[in-house]
Amino acid sequence: ETGVTQTPRHLVMGMTNKKSLKCEQHLGHNAMYWYKQSAKKPLELMFVYSLEERVENNSVPSRFSPECPNSSHLFLHLHTLQPEDSALYLCASSQRPGLAGEADTQYFGPGTRLTVL
Amino acid sequence: KQEVTQIPAALSVPEGENLVLNCSFTDSAIYNLQWFRQDPGKGLTSLLLIQSSQREQTSGRLNASLDKSSGRSTLYIAASQPGDSATYLCAVRSYYGGSQGNLIFGKGTKLSVKP
Repeated sequence: ETGVTQTPRHLVMGMTNKKSLKCEQHLGHNAMYWYKQSAKKPLELMFVYSLEERVENNSVPSRFSPECPNSSHLFLHLHTLQPEDSALYLCASSQRPGLAGEADTQYFGPGTRLTVL
Repeated sequence: KQEVTQIPAALSVPEGENLVLNCSFTDSAIYNLQWFRQDPGKGLTSLLLIQSSQREQTSGRLNASLDKSSGRSTLYIAASQPGDSATYLCAVRSYYGGSQGNLIFGKGTKLSVKP
């Protein structure tokens, strides 16, 4: 048990649907992340929130919309997705380092396996 | 732009064998390097984290080394067991650019240890 939970674990949706992925961390961390893991590609960072403010968006299409209402919860709202968006979506949390060089171990949830038909 | 490469992509060994997984990165300006394990259908578990000023870290049967100047890291697994079967991911935390402070991952090495 890593202290980071994600729901749902599996999701199948049509291209016109709207759905949301949820992540919750019980570790007292102040930074949360969304990653996308596609087959045969490296894990890709999508969004970073630090102290509930978005600090990085790695050029993710607008059909993915993150929300971080507090330091323990992170959502990824999905709408009008494409089949190529099918992937494993992983959430992570960490104690965001304040100084360069500090160790910053990220703790990952089990992921949501998303299939877009 | 930082890129991380892992070789081999897949590895199958008999139980009890010692093995080495390789990771290389293109930009030596890193804060640290981390090795993760991912079991099928599950998230990532951090195994070892090596700060840029360190040469190696050990945990049980695992030993990770870092040669920052040459952009290389190895993960050594001693006396492999079937329970070690998983995908092993290497990630670096870079100084610069859009990835400042964020993890850049390799594609992973899928390890299978046969009983």
